[in-house]
Amino acid sequence: DVKVTQSSRYLVKRTGEKVFLECVQDMDHENMFWYRQDPGLGLRLIYFSYDVKMKEKGDIPEGYSVSREKKERFSLILESASTNQTSMYLCASGTGTGGRKLFFGSGTQLSVL
Amino acid sequence: AQKITQTQPGMFVQEKEAVTLDCTYDTSDPSYGLFWYKQPSSGEMIFLIYQGSYDQQNATEGRYSLNFQKARKSANLVISASQLGDSAMYFCAMSPYSGGYQKVTFGIGTKLQVIP
Repeated sequence: DVKVTQSSRYLVKRTGEKVFLECVQDMDHENMFWYRQDPGLGLRLIYFSYDVKMKEKGDIPEGYSVSREKKERFSLILESASTNQTSMYLCASGTGTGGRKLFFGSGTQLSVL
Repeated sequence: AQKITQTQPGMFVQEKEAVTLDCTYDTSDPSYGLFWYKQPSSGEMIFLIYQGSYDQQNATEGRYSLNFQKARKSANLVISASQLGDSAMYFCAMSPYSGGYQKVTFGIGTKLQVIP
């Protein structure tokens, strides 16, 4: 079975902390994505990567950065967590261009206190 | 830029009835893919159906069909013979073919509740 694994299901952090969310896929996909999901706002794209060390900003990149040092791993970094970054974070991976479905991880519910 | 609009925050349908979930999109890309995903209360995202912008026929996958009207930029999901297990959030999404990579944009979703 194909798998996208997110390191934590639930995470609680304090304001100002540096937060790392990790995502690993075992499908050799070139594309990886980070979304945040908030009620009433759907899934919003934060960053995506189409190759190792390559990244593109999504629709809401402010306050976030990403790292992709290896093809299978895509990390989302909150340099200084704030309460408005409390959200569900979903990682996804895919291949090719517009015609292929995405595979999602189970999500990380991050609470910033 | 691309945008997905889902205007129905919540829908109810009687079990065994058909239901249509609306989706309109906007893009400047000449070719693109359209998708629907289902998210039950467990939180997992489940791919349902895909439609390519150049496909002549509407896509179908079992009880799911995508009513694609290119001129109207709409990609509505039709679920036939609703079941209780269809109660979930449904997201419409799109991705352009250009640029050599995927950039998948989602709508805000529609919450469907199936009534026994």
